[in-house]
Amino acid sequence: NAGVTQTPKFRVLKTGQSMTLLCAQDMNHEYMYWYRQDPGMGLRLIHYSVGEGTTAKGEVPDGYNVSRLKKQNFLLGLESAAPSQTSVYFCASSYSIGGLLNTEAFFGQGTRLTVV
Amino acid sequence: DQQVKQNSPSLSVQEGRISILNCDYTNSMFDYFLWYKKYPAEGPTFLISISSIKDKNEDGRFTVFLNKSAKHLSLHIVPSQPGDSAVYFCAASALGSGGYQKVTFGTGTKLQVIP
Repeated sequence: NAGVTQTPKFRVLKTGQSMTLLCAQDMNHEYMYWYRQDPGMGLRLIHYSVGEGTTAKGEVPDGYNVSRLKKQNFLLGLESAAPSQTSVYFCASSYSIGGLLNTEAFFGQGTRLTVV
Repeated sequence: DQQVKQNSPSLSVQEGRISILNCDYTNSMFDYFLWYKKYPAEGPTFLISISSIKDKNEDGRFTVFLNKSAKHLSLHIVPSQPGDSAVYFCAASALGSGGYQKVTFGTGTKLQVIP
C-alpha cells in the first residue's frame, strides 16, 4: 500500500524555468492538498482539491497552478520558477465522514525544490 | 497572522520522563485539533486528534488536552522514548468557505529525547 507518492523527491531549477510536481494517492481519497514548508513558517496551503476536476486556492497560491484530472492524481505546476519558491513541498490527501472532514491527512514524503 | 502558535521551537527531555508540547490558537471557530509528527526527510504523519467537544483524548503513551477557554492545546508523551525525537506540528481545523474544512498548522516544535 503506497499511500501518497510524490515525484520527484529533489529538483533544482533555474529562475524562469517551469516544472510539474506529481502527487498520486491510492486510497481513493476525495480531498488532496499541496503545502509548502519553510523554516519557521509551518506548513502553508498552496492549493487544494475537493474532488476530481475541482481545484481551489489556499493561503499562498500565487505563482502556482494545479490540476486534478483524475481522482488519484494532483499536479502542482510552477510556470516561471522564482527563488522565493525554494521550499519543501508536501502533497496530502484525506477523506470525509458523513460530509465532515474531521479526519487526518496522509502526507507524501516531500519534494525538495531549489530555485537558483 | 499566525492563528496556531507553537511558541517553543525546541524541547529536550530525558528518556522515560514526560514530554509536554504546547499549542495556542486564536480562532474560536476551530472545532478539530490534530498533532502530527515529522521525521527528517519524511512527510508528517498523524499522531492524535481531539474534537472541540472533548477536553482529553488518550492513545497509548500520547494524550492530548484541550482547554477551550484558554484556547490552549497540549500533547503529553509518557514515557518519552528516543524514537519520539521528531518535529511535532499542531494543527487546527474550521469550516471554511465552500464547505472546505480548512486546516491551519503551527510552526512546529522539535523534540529531542535524550537516552
